[in-house]
Amino acid sequence: DAGVTQSPTHLIKTRGQQVTLRCSPKSGHDTVSWYQQALGQGPQFIFQYYEEEERQRGNFPDRFSGHQFPNYSSELNVNALLLGDSALYLCASSLSGHEQFFGPGTRLTVL
Amino acid sequence: GENVEQHPSTLSVQEGDSAVIKCTYSDSASNYFPWYKQELGKGPQLIIDIRSNVGEKKDQRIAVTLNKTAKHFSLHITETQPEDSAVYFCAASKGGSARQLTFGSGTQLTVLP
Repeated sequence: DAGVTQSPTHLIKTRGQQVTLRCSPKSGHDTVSWYQQALGQGPQFIFQYYEEEERQRGNFPDRFSGHQFPNYSSELNVNALLLGDSALYLCASSLSGHEQFFGPGTRLTVL
Repeated sequence: GENVEQHPSTLSVQEGDSAVIKCTYSDSASNYFPWYKQELGKGPQLIIDIRSNVGEKKDQRIAVTLNKTAKHFSLHITETQPEDSAVYFCAASKGGSARQLTFGSGTQLTVLP
C-alpha cells in the first residue's frame, strides 16, 4: 500500500514565478493538509481540503491556493514567488477524524 | 492562536540511556497531541499520540505523558538506540487528529554509540 506521494521532489524557481505542487493521499484517505517547513523549523499549517473544499486555513497570504480533486489528490499553488517561500512543502493525508500521515515533501528553492 | 514550545532544541545521550523531550501549549481547548520523528530528507513520521482524556500512553520503548492542568506533555524514549537519532517534533490540535496541527520547533536527538 503506497503512502502519501508528492511531486516533484525538488523544484527551483525565480522570484515572481508561479509553482504547482502535487500530492496523492494514502489509499482510503479523504483529507489532505499542506504544511510549509522552513529550514530548522517545525512545519506550519497552510490549509486543509476535505470533499474538494478548503475546510481550514492557516496564516498564509492569498498567494497560496489549493485544490482537491474527486480522487482526493491535491495541488498547492503559489503565485508571485518570494525568496522567503523557499522551504520544504509537506502534504499530509488522513481519513476524516483520524491521524495525519506525511509525504516526503517537495523542496522548493526560489532564486 | 495556539503556540507550542519545545525543549531542548538539541539532546545527546549515550546508547541505552533514556531521552526526554518536553512541550508546552497555550490553548486549553487543544485535545490531541502527536509526536513525529523526522529523519534527514524525509517527511515527519507519526510515532505516538495522546488525546486529552488520557494521561499517559506507552508503546514499547516510547511513552508520552500529558498534564492538562499545566498544559504540557512529554516524550520519553527508553533504551535509546543509534537509529533513534533524528529530529522529533511535538504538535497540538484543538480539532482532533485530522485538523490543523501546530508544531513545536523540534529537538535534534543524537544517540551516541
